[in-house]
Order: sequence, then C-alpha cells, then structure tokens
Amino acid sequence: DQQVKQNSPSLSVQEGRISILNCDYTNSMFDYFLWYKKYPAEGPTFLISISSIKDKNEDGRFTVFLNKSAKHLSLHIVPSQPGDSAVYFCAAKELVFGAGTILRVKS
Amino acid sequence: EPEVTQTPSHQVTQMGQEVILRCVPISNHLYFYWYRQILGQKVEFLVSFYNNEISEKSEIFDDQFSVERPDGSNFTLKIRSTKLEDSAMYFCASSDQGGRTEAFFGQGTRLTVV
Repeated sequence: DQQVKQNSPSLSVQEGRISILNCDYTNSMFDYFLWYKKYPAEGPTFLISISSIKDKNEDGRFTVFLNKSAKHLSLHIVPSQPGDSAVYFCAAKELVFGAGTILRVKS
Repeated sequence: EPEVTQTPSHQVTQMGQEVILRCVPISNHLYFYWYRQILGQKVEFLVSFYNNEISEKSEIFDDQFSVERPDGSNFTLKIRSTKLEDSAMYFCASSDQGGRTEAFFGQGTRLTVV
C-alpha cells in the first residue's frame, strides 16, 4: 500500500542547475504535504510544505508545486548546491512518507 | 534552537527482551510521533499521540508496542518482546499543530536486535 510514491530513487544534478524531485499520491483526502531532507545518521528535517488550497509555495531556493488533478507534487531546488545532497522525502501530513529520492549535487 | 532529543543513540538487545526508547519532545509541542526506518527502506509511521492518548497508529504498531508520556517532558516507545525484524532506526518527532504543520524529528535511536 504505497499511498505516497517517489518513483525516482536517485537524481544527480550539476551545481547551479535546477533539481526537480517528484512525488505522486493516491489518496485524494490528503490535503497537506511536506518535504523533508535527511542526511545520513540524522533525523529528517523539514524543508517546505504546501496545503491543498494552494498550487505553489516558495521559500528561497525551494519551491513546491502541487497538481491536485494529477495527484502530483514536485520540489524544485534552484540553484542546486553541493550541500543539498541528501535524501528527500515527501510526506502527506506527518503520517505517510514516500520512499525517498537521493539527490547528489556535483560541483 | 529547540530540538527533539532521543536516547540512547544506539541500543543493542537480545531477541525477546523488552526495550524502551526515550524521547524528549520540544517543550511547547502537543503532538508526538514515533517512526521507524528499516535500513534501506522508507520512513514508516508507527503512532501519534495527543492529549495523553494515541490518536492514530499504523498496522505496524501491534500489541508488542506501547507508548507513554510518563511525565511532562518524556515520551517513550516500549517494545515488549523484540524480534530480529524490529532492528531499525526509530525516530521520535513532535509538532505544535498536528497535521497542519511540520514535525521536528530527533536524531534517532538505532535499535539492533541480536
């Protein structure tokens, strides 16, 4: 039962370019989504969130887009920096996490 | 900056033994959570706790698990009779508004059942 799916296990991007991480969900009752970043041996840290009443939320280099009809959200990081290299999880509220995408930003 | 703290950072236990994982959530937070991450797998929700009772739990959170807030600051996860497959990182988290705001995670406790 994968209610939140991150279909790309990894992504490699050049420093300065845009990173786009994708997430799909199946439950149309989900109305709040979050992105977390996780470094090895640390707990997840909150990055950005979006409510279903919006289709975009921006915070500095991070923008989350929500397409409710497609049940799809994406996280854009621009410009990408080497320190962004981590595992990124999308989550519906705090209860359902995706499998994560490993982002590697090459300098 | 306030943070969620978890102890111990690593716990090794024998199969069948009871373990208690401890967490100190952020002081003004009202919602508390436990998650686990088996090595190489995704973060899985176990249980949420609000107003001194379980508000939601997953199918993973069966009768061998229990949670408690024994005083005003600690939040504990007890595993009664550990199995090899309980080996995982266990993360505690807290939030101030439940499902409408972010949860802050602790550094995790690595549980190894041998």
